[in-house]
Amino acid sequence: SAVISQKPSRDICQRGTSLTIQCQVDSQVTMMFWYRQQPGQSLTLIATANQGSEATYESGFVIDKFPISRPNLTFSTLTVSNMSPEDSSIYLCSAPGEIGYTFGSGTRLTVV
Amino acid sequence: RKEVEQDPGPFNVPEGATVAFNCTYSNSASQSFFWYRQDCRKEPKLLMSVYSSGNEDGRFTAQLNRASQYISLLIRDSKLSDSATYLCVVLDYKLSFGAGTTVTVRA
Repeated sequence: SAVISQKPSRDICQRGTSLTIQCQVDSQVTMMFWYRQQPGQSLTLIATANQGSEATYESGFVIDKFPISRPNLTFSTLTVSNMSPEDSSIYLCSAPGEIGYTFGSGTRLTVV
Repeated sequence: RKEVEQDPGPFNVPEGATVAFNCTYSNSASQSFFWYRQDCRKEPKLLMSVYSSGNEDGRFTAQLNRASQYISLLIRDSKLSDSATYLCVVLDYKLSFGAGTTVTVRA
């Protein structure tokens, strides 16, 4: 399966600032996915990042708040913009593997 | 109705016991099903895919019932290291995750 390197692993940020999370995959993948996992809850899909086209956002998530880049088939970034304490969560990227999907190790974000 | 629903547990079982739990899904057209394991503060990791005929991987057995739209996971001879949250995952045009079933195996 694909191996995904995600960074930063954690950060504490001031409200009103932005944080960019990076994911690097060790193989080329057509689609990458960004999820949020709030404490005690399961994963919620934020958007699908397609190489060569704009990301597709799920209901409740907008590009201005969560801009995504996908410059090539092995890399993607998610930015959490103008952060508020409600954005405190774990953010995970994912890519399809030979079987199922592989996840990055997650970014634990705390907004103060 | 949630797309994927799981019994949250927790299931607290002694070592060596058998534990089983289910997950239901709402989209009858869903084609692929997975069980993932998530340890505290870690990312989900694929435990096994679930095939129509049911499948087994060591101590783990997964079953799919399309008519009733549920999948199940059974763990035999539980080990302490099986303690985790087990996520039911269903794929149609996207992955949909259950909220997870927490299993704690005690010595």
